[in-house]
Amino acid sequence: SAVISQKPSRDICQRGTSLTIQCQVDSQVTMMFWYRQQPGQSLTLIATANQGSEATYESGFVIDKFPISRPNLTFSTLTVSNMSPEDSSIYLCSAYDRGLTDTQYFGPGTRLTVL
Amino acid sequence: GQSLEQPSEVTAVEGAIVQINCTYQTSGFYGLSWYQQHDGGAPTFLSYNGLDGLEETGRFSSFLSRSDSYGYLLLQELQMKDSASYFCAVSSNTGKLIFGQGTTLQVKP
Repeated sequence: SAVISQKPSRDICQRGTSLTIQCQVDSQVTMMFWYRQQPGQSLTLIATANQGSEATYESGFVIDKFPISRPNLTFSTLTVSNMSPEDSSIYLCSAYDRGLTDTQYFGPGTRLTVL
Repeated sequence: GQSLEQPSEVTAVEGAIVQINCTYQTSGFYGLSWYQQHDGGAPTFLSYNGLDGLEETGRFSSFLSRSDSYGYLLLQELQMKDSASYFCAVSSNTGKLIFGQGTTLQVKP
């Protein structure tokens, strides 16, 4: 199994600012993803973080708002840009490496509050 | 498009058995996963079905019927600590997950 850490675990930010969330996996994985979970809601996929190339974004999410980097097979960052209160959510990264169990593991999440 | 349906809430008593159903409509279906999430916590993987049939892991079992686009999670010998949200999620061959809206399970003494 993969162990995933995220930094920061939580933050309170002012409207109009940006926050970069870091995600570190303890082993090399093929795929990394970023999800958002708004209060009381399910998880929504933001994008697939591709190693060495631009991220692949889901409908409703754009690179200018959520730039993503993935410089290697164990690390990725998500930036939430020009924040508004509607961006207050938990942001989770996940790691996936197809194997016998086909399991996707999640980091502990970053709880973001935008004032 | 892709959609998943699961009940929003289920209530059961300690020691009982509960089944949480999930129906889905999706293209490029690869498998069905189940995750547990306690308040304030991250989703924790419970079970995965890539093929039709039943997968058993301790007190938890999961079932998939690809022809019916249907699966369920079965929780046996319920304990208070099982009170949580349970999500079904479909995966494509790229690994990305599309989640259902979640089922809140409340276990009562």
